Amino acid sequence: DSGVTQTPKHLITATGQRVTLRCSPRSGDLSVYWYQQSLDQGLQFLIQYYNGEERAKGNILERFSAQQFPDLHSELNLSSLELGDSALYFCASSAGTGGNTGELFFGEGSRLTVL
Amino acid sequence: GEDVEQSLFLSVREGDSSVINCTYTDSSSTYLYWYKQEPGAGLQLLTYIFSNMDMKQDQRLTVLLNKKDKHLSLRIADTQTGDSAIYFCAEIAYSGAGSYQLTFGKGTKLSVIP
Repeated sequence: DSGVTQTPKHLITATGQRVTLRCSPRSGDLSVYWYQQSLDQGLQFLIQYYNGEERAKGNILERFSAQQFPDLHSELNLSSLELGDSALYFCASSAGTGGNTGELFFGEGSRLTVL
Repeated sequence: GEDVEQSLFLSVREGDSSVINCTYTDSSSTYLYWYKQEPGAGLQLLTYIFSNMDMKQDQRLTVLLNKKDKHLSLRIADTQTGDSAIYFCAEIAYSGAGSYQLTFGKGTKLSVIP
């Protein structure tokens, strides 16, 4: 158990809809990262928050947004969903800002299926 | 930009050694990593190597780094069925504002045949 909790584990929705994925980081970790894992693209970095502030942005679509709340949990909002958004979305946390050890603690992921 | 490449599949017999290879592009990476993803689970850090090292050994795992060729490998000795998983190579890069970002390869699916 990594200590990172993601909900929901599975989500099925229709095109055009909006969903919210939630992540609770490991106790004490200030950084939260969101990754998208798909068969063709592999593991793609979406966005990072540190102590409530956005720190780094990767290949995140404009239809997607995220935030980190004062209690350090984070939410990833996906809107106007398309079939291609079907993927496994991982949240990860780390104590600092990624630092030089690169140890991220991953949740078990939220599997999104868009029909 | 950073890019990490690795072969997608590897199949070995139980008891044999597995070697998973990876190439990366960012020569300024200070650390390189191997993460393991078991079925239905998130990624877990397996081991990492500092860029000024050539080799790191940890029980059945041996990491070799060829910095000149930007080549990283993970050797698993006496591979067991429990080693069946997807193995991700990753490099770290500074992404600004004091933050670091990991770039992952697409992962190598290791299948161990009993």
